[in-house]
Amino acid sequence: EADIYQTPRYLVIGTGKKITLECSQTMGHDKMYWYQQDPGMELHLIHYSYGVNSTEKGDLSSESTVSRIRTEHFPLTLESARPSHTSQYLCATQEVSSTDTQYFGPGTRLTVL
Amino acid sequence: EDKVVQSPLSLVVHEGDTVTLNCSYEVTNFRSLLWYKQEKKAPTFLFMLTSSGIEKKSGRLSSILDKKELFSILNITATQTGDSAVYLCAVEDDTDKLIFGTGTRLQVFP
Repeated sequence: EADIYQTPRYLVIGTGKKITLECSQTMGHDKMYWYQQDPGMELHLIHYSYGVNSTEKGDLSSESTVSRIRTEHFPLTLESARPSHTSQYLCATQEVSSTDTQYFGPGTRLTVL
Repeated sequence: EDKVVQSPLSLVVHEGDTVTLNCSYEVTNFRSLLWYKQEKKAPTFLFMLTSSGIEKKSGRLSSILDKKELFSILNITATQTGDSAVYLCAVEDDTDKLIFGTGTRLQVFP
């Protein structure tokens, strides 16, 4: 089973604050992804990485940024949180092999007041 | 634009019923179709389908893909209350991106 950790699990924060959502994995997977999901909506890809020092923006325009300094970590940062950022953020990993599925972390539910 | 459409959006059944969930897609550079079960946490993987007409089974769940008609179905027989969840369908393209549908919310009552 995949070991993917996201912290915090829940976060309630005021407008204008800078926040970082952590995602870490112990499987050594090169590919990592961040998805945003609103209730009853599709998951939207906001960032992805194919390995260390590789980051790309996804399909959904996002005001967040990511970094990939180490294979195990793929943090997502919001410089100035707004109520429109309220959502669930899911991190996923995938091995290099194209036949492997993506494994999801437990998610971080963010509420910005 | 790539899209994945699931139906129905919501389904309520009694324990023991059989349900069929539908997923249709329009995705360029299709690689695979995946089904996930999402409860109060992140989705967990159920099936990955890449070839038409080959049924995949896991206990009471089964799924099949039709690449000509661009759809997949997920069957659950003899449903149990523990099957209550949102079932997500996603299509993976050849860049490893996943395009998700909105999901089907299944509620199973005793």
